[in-house]
Amino acid sequence: NAGVMQNPRHLVRRRGQEARLRCSPMKGHSHVYWYRQLPEEGLKFMVYLQKENIIDESGMPKERFSAEFPKEGPSILRIQQVVRGDSAAYFCASSPRSGIDTEAFFGQGTRLTVV
Amino acid sequence: GIQVEQSPPDLILQEGANSTLRCNFSDSVNNLQWFHQNPWGQLINLFYIPSGTKQNGRLSATTVATERYSLLYISSSQTTDSGVYFCADFTQGGSEKLVFGKGTKLTVNP
Repeated sequence: NAGVMQNPRHLVRRRGQEARLRCSPMKGHSHVYWYRQLPEEGLKFMVYLQKENIIDESGMPKERFSAEFPKEGPSILRIQQVVRGDSAAYFCASSPRSGIDTEAFFGQGTRLTVV
Repeated sequence: GIQVEQSPPDLILQEGANSTLRCNFSDSVNNLQWFHQNPWGQLINLFYIPSGTKQNGRLSATTVATERYSLLYISSSQTTDSGVYFCADFTQGGSEKLVFGKGTKLTVNP
């Protein structure tokens, strides 16, 4: 049973370009969470999605950032017009359900570098 | 929302030593998890432990939900134990999401 798969592992973008980060949850998991980790810091929640629904995007910047989890295919975190401050590691986690008695598993992350 | 505090923030050990890492929560514990982020940045699930005690090799964890804390024990530490240890819990009510502490950075020297 494959774990949470994120790609690419490393992504370099010039300022002003778009970055697309992909996350395929574990088999049987329909809940996806995106987190951002700045160097030497903890993980900050960005967005929580279920299939075709954004449940909570309270941690995501209002501009330039968007996320989706379509009925088919991976979840996508999209960053438009990237700036140097977007450089970070972006982690995706999945779980089979929400609420109590739920364990989340993380992918290996995508390290975004904006030059 | 729930606040998660971890201590100590940094810990340096000699190989073979034992250590205890602590996680305090401001609210009731729901789905507590411990993770190890290795020097390559990978997040590895260590324990899912909403309550009680679990052991896995040299690692064990105890959560006392009524007192809102959890402990991670590392015995006979090895250099490969180095990295950052995070605890996290799902918030309850409304949207559930994992809230992380700031981590304990562990360095095990040979």
